[in-house]
Amino acid sequence: KNEVEQSPQNLTAQEGEFITINCSYSVGISALHWLQQHPGGGIVSLFMLSSGKKKHGRLIATINIQEKHSSLHITASHPRDSAVYICAVNDMRFGAGTRLTVKP
Amino acid sequence: NAGVTQTPKFRVLKTGQSMTLLCAQDMNHEYMYWYRQDPGMGLRLIHYSVGEGTTAKGEVPDGYNVSRLKKQNFLLGLESAAPSQTSVYFCASGTGISYGYTFGSGTRLTVV
Repeated sequence: KNEVEQSPQNLTAQEGEFITINCSYSVGISALHWLQQHPGGGIVSLFMLSSGKKKHGRLIATINIQEKHSSLHITASHPRDSAVYICAVNDMRFGAGTRLTVKP
Repeated sequence: NAGVTQTPKFRVLKTGQSMTLLCAQDMNHEYMYWYRQDPGMGLRLIHYSVGEGTTAKGEVPDGYNVSRLKKQNFLLGLESAAPSQTSVYFCASGTGISYGYTFGSGTRLTVV
């Protein structure tokens, strides 16, 4: 069983919808990261969390340390949000990613 | 605004050939990492370094060697390439696990 599990694997949404991507992990962590991989392949770090909640624009990331669970939310989704979203913990142990497609 | 630069961006090797991938960062980061990304498997850590002159094995180190002779450079070597090493390789650097990371743009390697 992978130490970092993401759900769903694939997600298709209509523009404007509220998106939630989930990440569960089975190890103790110092930090959890959310990354975005663009269709062209580049990887960008979105958030680093050790507790609570962070917000950047339309993106919100939360973490529940006791439940070993994190969520990434996208409000008012847009086609440019289409990408693979990756959860990673500690020394960068990665989930398999969630492929998000937002249709206009 | 270079950040993390990987060279080359693409390469095709024949089985048994050797090559070195270069990762260079200009942010004075202590930590550097090499990952491979395969379809459906996510990113996997090959080797990493926590400072100049140090290296350590990650999740999938077999068939690879690394060196960190200078703080800004982290080299990944394939001594005898195999088709199983066909992958996209990413380098990343950072200041520690509790801080953000910067990724290179990737190297697409095909071994035939």
